[in-house]
Amino acid sequence: DTEVTQTPKHLVMGMTNKKSLKCEQHMGHRAMYWYKQKAKKPPELMFVYSYEKLSINESVPSRFSPECPNSSLLNLHLHALQPEDSALYLCASSQDRSMAGELFFGEGSRLTVL
Amino acid sequence: GIQVEQSPPDLILQEGANSTLRCNFSDSVNNLQWFHQNPWGQLINLFYIPSGTKQNGRLSATTVATERYSLLYISSSQTTDSGVYFCAVGNAGGTSYGKLTFGQGTILTVHP
Repeated sequence: DTEVTQTPKHLVMGMTNKKSLKCEQHMGHRAMYWYKQKAKKPPELMFVYSYEKLSINESVPSRFSPECPNSSLLNLHLHALQPEDSALYLCASSQDRSMAGELFFGEGSRLTVL
Repeated sequence: GIQVEQSPPDLILQEGANSTLRCNFSDSVNNLQWFHQNPWGQLINLFYIPSGTKQNGRLSATTVATERYSLLYISSSQTTDSGVYFCAVGNAGGTSYGKLTFGQGTILTVHP
């Protein structure tokens, strides 16, 4: 069983919709991440939260809005997306952002934008 | 940032065969992980191995940090080993702080 839980597993939305992806971890980790993965490509980093503060934004368009309500939860709010934003969105967590420990991934949320 | 190169890009095996996957990286690292991505998309941790050698059942990995490469060995392959294997590296310095950089992956297909 994965210790990083993502919901929903699948999401279909129109370009005018507002939706959110949710991620939860109970490992006491203080760094959480959003990655985006297109088919047949490696995951690409979007955001890093460290101790509930945004520490890295990889120049992601503002139609993606991350939120970290507490140390266990990470959300990704979606608004006015484009069809090219269709992808697998992966949440991950680690002890901290120093990269001195393992990164654990959730099962992903597969997003389709119509 | 760090460059990560994996080889081979594709690998086709018969069940029972052994294989070696390679990961080269361009800078010193304090994090190196091997992942297996299953057909449903989940990235499963295989090894956290910034240096040294580890074994877990039919899988083992070796990282030679001074020469900037890591190897993943799969012995007696099974059809369930099919999927994409990613090497990912990170370091605590400079502009790469907090980032895990992925290689392009090796697509493994094991036939019965």
